[in-house]
Amino acid sequence: EPEVTQTPSHQVTQMGQEVILRCVPISNHLYFYWYRQILGQKVEFLVSFYNNEISEKSEIFDDQFSVERPDGSNFTLKIRSTKLEDSAMYFCASRRDRMDRTGELFFGEGSRLTVL
Amino acid sequence: AQSVTQLDSQVPVFEEAPVELRCNYSSSVSVYLFWYVQYPNQGLQLLLKYLSGSTLVKGINGFEAEFNKSQTSFHLRKPSVHISDTAEYFCAVSGRGGGADGLTFGKGTHLIIQP
Repeated sequence: EPEVTQTPSHQVTQMGQEVILRCVPISNHLYFYWYRQILGQKVEFLVSFYNNEISEKSEIFDDQFSVERPDGSNFTLKIRSTKLEDSAMYFCASRRDRMDRTGELFFGEGSRLTVL
Repeated sequence: AQSVTQLDSQVPVFEEAPVELRCNYSSSVSVYLFWYVQYPNQGLQLLLKYLSGSTLVKGINGFEAEFNKSQTSFHLRKPSVHISDTAEYFCAVSGRGGGADGLTFGKGTHLIIQP
């Protein structure tokens, strides 16, 4: 069964360092997302991406964050200068159709980011 | 703006007993509703969804949920739980209007199955 894969599963970094989290969405999907979950809190929407551009972003997704689809398979989230409060589990998700068709987001297993 | 409230952060239930996990939402537009499950050290997996039609939806692993528009609720139920149902359950909504295509999640309910 096709799945969304994320790397790394866990990354530890020093405050101020740049981090890139990688995702390989399901191959025939068109819509891509990043979510984060701070420990003990709810899953929060960061950004959605369609047709090679950001379609929506939350207020969390400030200038420190960027997303890219550098080739036909990868979808990356970059945090330019990490802060302690960026420590969280980051989930990538993808969807094939518009929400009113299949309505299902497929999630990866997450990348845990720890900022020291 | 949309919001999702899961009233119970933790629900302990004995094995083979029924369970209901509560979810209420608020939205200025019509919504699509979802329940996701997160098993330990895993990603989020879709349990079931309501897009339109019948208000009672059935999902995987014997779960079902009922959409109640007047009460703005989408409670998740299972008539008899198993130890393997121990997990975190998230209710989520997505608005049909305004171009918002991301999901808004509740804080989650940790279902603990006691033998």
